Order: sequence, then structure tokens, then C-alpha cells
Amino acid sequence: DIQMTQSPSSLSASVGDRVTITCQASQDISNYLNWYQQKPGKAPKLLIYDASNLEKGAPSRFSGSGSGTDFTFTISSLQPEDIATYYCQQYDFLPLTFGGGTKVEIK
Amino acid sequence: EVQLVESGGGLVQPGGSLRLSCSASGFTFSSYAMHWVRQAPGKGLEYVSAIGNSGRSTYYADSVKGRFTISRDNSNNTLYLQLSSLRAEDTAVYYCVKVSRQHLPYDAFDIWGQGTMVTVSS
Repeated sequence: DIQMTQSPSSLSASVGDRVTITCQASQDISNYLNWYQQKPGKAPKLLIYDASNLEKGAPSRFSGSGSGTDFTFTISSLQPEDIATYYCQQYDFLPLTFGGGTKVEIK
Repeated sequence: EVQLVESGGGLVQPGGSLRLSCSASGFTFSSYAMHWVRQAPGKGLEYVSAIGNSGRSTYYADSVKGRFTISRDNSNNTLYLQLSSLRAEDTAVYYCVKVSRQHLPYDAFDIWGQGTMVTVSS
């Protein structure tokens, strides 16, 4: 199985800060990488697909980059409503696999 | 509005069975592959199963292979997951999810249901 290693597992930042989360795949997955946001008690929501494409309706402060094995998710200016857990997911190989998640909190 | 609504969760004893349903609306159900993803309490997301848009092809994670069965009824816009030989470690919220692009079996999950809780306990 492809292992998706996300870091950090949690972070605390101030409103307006730039936040960066990384995701490393155990082997080359090209750009078959998606990012989801999950707020407490809610279903996940797709934010970024194919590594760098912003899902329709997602705020432009969210962005993604990378290919191969190393990927980055960025919130350009953290907002209070961004408090959530973020997951990366690869869909190049079966089984589809998710990263362990990054919990983002406000400092 | 594109929507997925799961039902069928509940409390079941170890070794028992349950059938989850996912009612889809707002899109051409028969054109999209569908998947199930689960989340144990306080844990991350775990991929469970997939079914192609026609229902002919299916896939199961090793952790559920031989115990769970995915199916769909395109005439009634409904996805199913039959859970059998349930174990404590199957306790989770089960999400029904839709892929983003038509006729692709594996893709980003753009629509998620609200989830249905399955608790396996004696």
C-alpha cells in the first residue's frame, strides 16, 4: 500500500498567518493527490484536486503544489473558519490511502 | 442540489450484519463510480470499497474483503454496503462518497454524505 505521511500532525497559528502542511508519498503518485478539510462533527470537504487545482467554491487562500512524492498544502492567510483537520489522499494506486491528518488550531 | 444521504447504521453485536444505504440525488447517479470511506472514533479516514458506475466492477480494502459487499441500484439512485461478520474494529462512521468526474473509477471525492455510525459491541 502507498503510505501517505503528513506533517505536522498538529499546528497552532495566528489569524492571518501562512500555514503549510506537507504530504509525502511512499512512491511516485504523479499528481494524483487530493486535499480535504474536515471540521469537527462534519464530513470531509474536497479543497484541492490533482495536487494543485482549487475545487469550485473553495476559498482562494487555499492552494496546493507538488508532484511525484512530495506535496504541499498552503493556507495563505489563516482564518478562524479554517479550524479543522486536513487530509491528503492519493488515488494513483489501490487501495486509495489517506494521510494521518493535520489538526489546525488558532493560537 | 447534489446530495448523498446515508442510513442503516446502528448498534450490532460482534459477528452480526448490517446493510447501509446511500440515497443519491441531484446528479446522474448511473454515470459516477461510488465509494465508501470510514472513520473510527477520533481517528483518521480509511478507504473501504468502490463500485464502478455500472456496478460491474468492485474493489475492497483488505480489512473488509470477504466480509463486506458493495452494490448499487441505478434505477433507484441508491448505493449499498452489506456488512457481515462484524468486528469491534469496524466501529466507525461510514461515509458514502461520489467521485468528481464521470466514468472514472478513481478520482477526487467531491461529494460526501453526512455519514452513518456503526457500533459493533456486545
